[in-house]
Amino acid sequence: GQQLNQSPQSMFIQEGEDVSMNCTSSSIFNTWLWYKQEPGEGPVLLIALYKAGELTSNGRLTAQFGITRKDSFLNISASIPSDVGIYFCAGHNDYKLSFGAGTTVTVRA
Amino acid sequence: EAGVTQFPSHSVIEKGQTVTLRCDPISGHDNLYWYRRVMGKEIKFLLHFVKESKQDESGMPNNRFLAERTGGTYSTLKVQPAELEDSGVYFCASSRPEYNEQFFGPGTRLTVL
Repeated sequence: GQQLNQSPQSMFIQEGEDVSMNCTSSSIFNTWLWYKQEPGEGPVLLIALYKAGELTSNGRLTAQFGITRKDSFLNISASIPSDVGIYFCAGHNDYKLSFGAGTTVTVRA
Repeated sequence: EAGVTQFPSHSVIEKGQTVTLRCDPISGHDNLYWYRRVMGKEIKFLLHFVKESKQDESGMPNNRFLAERTGGTYSTLKVQPAELEDSGVYFCASSRPEYNEQFFGPGTRLTVL
């Protein structure tokens, strides 16, 4: 499968902080997607990006499809406690998703 | 609309036994996918159905895994005989025709002892 490098692996946030994570790949994808997974549940789709250079927002979430089609980032603004979870990037080609290893977001006490 | 459902949510079996996982996709979604996440690794593609036809099973680990989608509705994934390395979370996803957005079920956590 195609390899995606997602960073950071984990992060601790304080409520109100902005959070940023990104994915890079040696392969070109026609679509980038960002998912969030909470304990005991499956990945939930947050944002889908279809065009190189596209910048898309969904509430406090903003994601961009890199101009080279090999990377994407996700920003979460003004984080709240319910933002904790594991965030996955996924690249789509030929009906298959290739996933990053995930970024675990935890609230700092 | 109802989401993707999977059954069972957990399964604990012994090495050598058989397990069958079931997935019900979102109504109207012709595309159905199986993925797996083993401990500490990323989620990996297993196979893709369009209606009842297997389009791509390049991710299936070996011939101990058999997926079916009779009638083009729900799908089953059978592991026979199960090995220790088959432990992990098996996810099913579905999508509408011509759409790249895949919607995931809650997963089945399989533990092989």
